[in-house]
Amino acid sequence: AAGVIQSPRHLIKEKRETATLKCYPIPRHDTVYWYQQGPGQDPQFLISFYEKMQSDKGSIPDRFSAQQFSDYHSELNMSSLELGDSALYFCASSRSGRNTGELFFGEGSRLTVL
Amino acid sequence: AQTVTQSQPEMSVQEAETVTLSCTYDTSENNYYLFWYKQPPSRQMILVIRQEAYKQQNATENRFSVNFQKAAKSFSLKISDSQLGDTAMYFCAFMKLKTSYDKVIFGPGTSLSVIP
Repeated sequence: AAGVIQSPRHLIKEKRETATLKCYPIPRHDTVYWYQQGPGQDPQFLISFYEKMQSDKGSIPDRFSAQQFSDYHSELNMSSLELGDSALYFCASSRSGRNTGELFFGEGSRLTVL
Repeated sequence: AQTVTQSQPEMSVQEAETVTLSCTYDTSENNYYLFWYKQPPSRQMILVIRQEAYKQQNATENRFSVNFQKAAKSFSLKISDSQLGDTAMYFCAFMKLKTSYDKVIFGPGTSLSVIP
């Protein structure tokens, strides 16, 4: 079965650079969530999209932006990177209406800021 | 706002034994889901078990079962016949049921080690 695809899996950037992470949800899933997991920490909710509109916003820095495209894939753009942005970024998807509550997670994109 | 608390940062269990991981949560919502997610060293988050708050019967999935106490806002996970592959970080999580696209809120996690 198709899963959530994230790219790139690993990314190394310098301070003040820009990074873009991509997420391709499971087919027919219309909702995408982004989470940030620092070393030894629980995943923190950043932002979510439902039917290409922002549905909820968490602790996402102003330097970050995201959107969901017409094919339901999503991109997380991070600018002016800081050392503290080094983390594992998870994308998850779900299908509204079914409401089993389950989020399906990708394998994550590990960002290292030097 | 909802919060999820896991008071056991680390636990260990002998292979084939039973272990219980604790979780408490705080919410004013009446309809919600509770989850236990597993994050093995490969890092992908995997759903272990799910409980709907309106169901009184505790959920079970093979060797995994929960003890859901709604009034006490407690949601513990019992793993029976522990296996080496159960070694992972376990996150208790909460999702309210206001809309069909509510986010999941995670607890701080419990690191479980299964000892041969």
